[in-house]
Amino acid sequence: KNEVEQSPQNLTAQEGEFITINCSYSVGISALHWLQQHPGGGIVSLFMLSSGKKKHGRLIATINIQEKHSSLHITASHPRDSAVYICAVNSGGSNYKLTFGKGTLLTVNP
Amino acid sequence: DAGITQSPRHKVTETGTPVTLRCHQTENHRYMYWYRQDPGHGLRLIHYSYGVKDTDKGEVSDGYSVSRSKTEDFLLTLESATSSQTSVYFCAISRTPNTEAFFGQGTRLTVV
Repeated sequence: KNEVEQSPQNLTAQEGEFITINCSYSVGISALHWLQQHPGGGIVSLFMLSSGKKKHGRLIATINIQEKHSSLHITASHPRDSAVYICAVNSGGSNYKLTFGKGTLLTVNP
Repeated sequence: DAGITQSPRHKVTETGTPVTLRCHQTENHRYMYWYRQDPGHGLRLIHYSYGVKDTDKGEVSDGYSVSRSKTEDFLLTLESATSSQTSVYFCAISRTPNTEAFFGQGTRLTVV
């Protein structure tokens, strides 16, 4: 079992819909990252959080440390949001180690 | 955007040849990492560096070596490329182990 599990693996939505992508992890962490990767493109950091909630534009990320769960929400989705969204956790300590989920492929249709 | 550049962006090479990928940063971040991305897998850490001449292995380091002779450059070398090393390689940087990571655009390597 992967230490980081994302759901769903694939998600198709209509423009304007509210999107939720989930991430569950099994290890203790110091931080959780949400990343975005467009097809054939590089990886962009969206959020890094260790507690509570962060918001940037139409994107909202939440984390529940006790439940070892995080969600990424996209409000008023747009076709340009179509990408792979990746959850990664930092187990902390002096040596850096990010453990990645396999990603969620989001397709937003106009 | 964080100043991080990977070169080359695409490369096709033959089995058994040596290959070096370069990651260059202008952010003066201490930590640099090499990952590979393959279908069905999440990103996996190959090697990382926590300072000039300070490097350590990641989870998939076999067949790879790295060097960091100055802060801004982190080189990944495949001593003798194999088809299993066909992948997309990403470099990342971060100021500390627990701060935001910034990724390069990736290098698509094909070993034929």
